[in-house]
Amino acid sequence: EIVMTQSPATLSVSPGERATLSCRASQSVSSNLAWYQQKPGQAPRLLIYGASTRATGIPARFSGSGSGTEFTLTISSLQSEDFAVYYCQQYNNWPFTFGQGTRLEIK
Amino acid sequence: QVQLQESGPGLVKPSQTLSLTCTVSGGSISSGGYYWSWIRQPPGKGLEWIGYIYYSGSTYYNPSLKSRVTISVDTSKNQFSLKLSSVTAADTAVYYCASGYGPHSYWGQGTLVTVSS
Repeated sequence: EIVMTQSPATLSVSPGERATLSCRASQSVSSNLAWYQQKPGQAPRLLIYGASTRATGIPARFSGSGSGTEFTLTISSLQSEDFAVYYCQQYNNWPFTFGQGTRLEIK
Repeated sequence: QVQLQESGPGLVKPSQTLSLTCTVSGGSISSGGYYWSWIRQPPGKGLEWIGYIYYSGSTYYNPSLKSRVTISVDTSKNQFSLKLSSVTAADTAVYYCASGYGPHSYWGQGTLVTVSS
């Protein structure tokens, strides 16, 4: 099983600033990496797939990068609605596995 | 736009079998291309992928749950289902059905299942 490790566990950022979230895979997942946003009481929402492709309707301030074992999600200018928990997920190997999440909170 | 809706009991007794159904609308399970998955999230914790079924009936289960999980599909009703046997308190979670070809593009709203006597 591929282990996905996200860092940091919690990130405190002020609105309008940039947030950078990291995800590391225990072995290569090529570019088969997705990012999700989850708000309290809601299902996760797909933000990024293929490591860098925004899903339908996702604002351009969200961007993803990386391949192999190291990945980054960047939110260029944080809006109030962006404060949430973010998960990465690899879909290169079964079983698909998620990271433990990064909580993005208002500073 | 594909929509998914979970249904089933919100309370299950220890040692019994948890049974949930996901009803799909806005798209057909039989059309192929998508994996139809179950994912769970214990209260306050992260996401755990349980398994998937393809429209053909082929399945794959998370090895950590494989001995207790069965996922089935009813294409005539456009539904797929989850059965998890011999549940304990550790199986208390919000259970989501989801679909996609790898990344999960579509999710149900989730249903909380509590295991308690």
